[in-house]
Amino acid sequence: GQNIDQPTEMTATEGAIVQINCTYQTSGFNGLFWYQQHAGEAPTFLSYNVLDGLEEKGRFSSFLSRSKGYSYLLLKELQMKDSASYLCAPQDSNYQLIWGAGTKLIIKP
Amino acid sequence: GAVVSQHPSRVICKSGTSVKIECRSLDFQATTMFWYRQFPKQSLMLMATSNEGSKATYEQGVEKDKFLINHASLTLSTLTVTSAHPEDSSFYICSARDPPGEVNEQFFGPGTRLTVL
Repeated sequence: GQNIDQPTEMTATEGAIVQINCTYQTSGFNGLFWYQQHAGEAPTFLSYNVLDGLEEKGRFSSFLSRSKGYSYLLLKELQMKDSASYLCAPQDSNYQLIWGAGTKLIIKP
Repeated sequence: GAVVSQHPSRVICKSGTSVKIECRSLDFQATTMFWYRQFPKQSLMLMATSNEGSKATYEQGVEKDKFLINHASLTLSTLTVTSAHPEDSSFYICSARDPPGEVNEQFFGPGTRLTVL
């Protein structure tokens, strides 16, 4: 079956760095997306990885290892507005996104 | 990035009524749109995939006669919740995929909060 595994909740301090890990199992693979979702709002796109390695985009970076079925999202210089849920969503062979429950990130001053 | 709008953003209705939600891609043509439902503190659940000009593909367990989807043009898909009941109260989100390319990103609408009394 298809499965996503992310920590349910993480806490970090403003200004610090946090890494959110994701392991996945899918039927086929066509890239992996990371989305941010604030409470009561729709998800917004953060990053996309289709090849192994690190993609850097400002304060956010995302890493992928296809052989290990593993990805992480790295957030640097954390700000209070980064408090949100972070969703790891691999895309299967039919180009459907597979969603887990996401990781709720709490930023403390 | 591309913009997807959804209307209405919030709706409260009585049990037994039907509610229509519109999803529009504002600056691109979307051959494929997706409808999701999300209950509090749960993951996004794909309800159906809507392809322009053809019937929607529903996920297992989603009643196609209750959740009517129409994708009449490349920029508009509608979801109608027929005979809504309190258990249909949820956050409904649509997304549209941009034309095939490098990323195939899904762009999400802002969502519709449905409350059935």
